[in-house]
Amino acid sequence: KQEVTQIPAALSVPEGENLVLNCSFTDSAIYNLQWFRQDPGKGLTSLLLIQSSQREQTSGRLNASLDKSSGRSTLYIAASQPGDSATYLCAVRREYGNKLVFGAGTILRVKS
Amino acid sequence: DTAVSQTPKYLVTQMGNDKSIKCEQNLGHDTMYWYKQDSKKFLKIMFSYNNKELIINETVPNRFSPKSPDKAHLNLHINSLELGDSAVYFCASSLGDRGTGELFFGEGSRLTVL
Repeated sequence: KQEVTQIPAALSVPEGENLVLNCSFTDSAIYNLQWFRQDPGKGLTSLLLIQSSQREQTSGRLNASLDKSSGRSTLYIAASQPGDSATYLCAVRREYGNKLVFGAGTILRVKS
Repeated sequence: DTAVSQTPKYLVTQMGNDKSIKCEQNLGHDTMYWYKQDSKKFLKIMFSYNNKELIINETVPNRFSPKSPDKAHLNLHINSLELGDSAVYFCASSLGDRGTGELFFGEGSRLTVL
C-alpha cells in the first residue's frame, strides 16, 4: 500500500528565503509524482509533474526533484514571496492504474 | 473557460436528505475522479471513471453513487446524508493512458450536513 509523507507539516519563513519541502513515498513503483498548491477555500493548482523516468522539473522559481529508488521528492522554492503562502501537496500515481495518493501537505507561510 | 467546474460550490443540508454535485471538464480528458477532503485537509480518492466506465471504487458507502453520462461529466449523488459526510468534494480529470497523467482539479464543493 502506497503511503506518502510530507515534512515539515508547517513552515514559516521570512520573505526572500529559499526553502525546501520534502515528500517521501513507500512504494517506488510509481508512474509520476505531482506537486500541487492549495490556497485556503480553493481547489488544487498543479505546479509540477515529474514522470518516473525524470529527475527534475523546473517552473519559474520552483524546482522539483525525484529520486525514485529512495522514494523521495523535494520541492525547492527560490526567493520566497508572501504570495507563495499556501498548502503544498505532493501526490504519487502508481505504475498501474489511475489512483493518485496524496500526502497530508505542508502549510507554508511567507512573512513580509 | 474554466477547465474543471463543479456545482454547487457550497451546499448546506439536513441529515437524511439526498443531494447531488455536478462536475464538467472541457479539457478533452477521458478520465475523471471524485476526491474527498476531510476536516484535517487530507485528500482521498473515492471514484474514478475512464470513458464512462468505473475503474476505481474505494471503500465508500453505497449511499454515494457516481454517474458519468459522458466523458466530460461525472456527477456524484449522495443518499441519506450523514453528519460525517461533511467535507469538501473535489472533482478532477486527466488524460488516461495516452497522456502524462497530470491531474486538473475543480474548485471544490463544500458540503455541510446539519
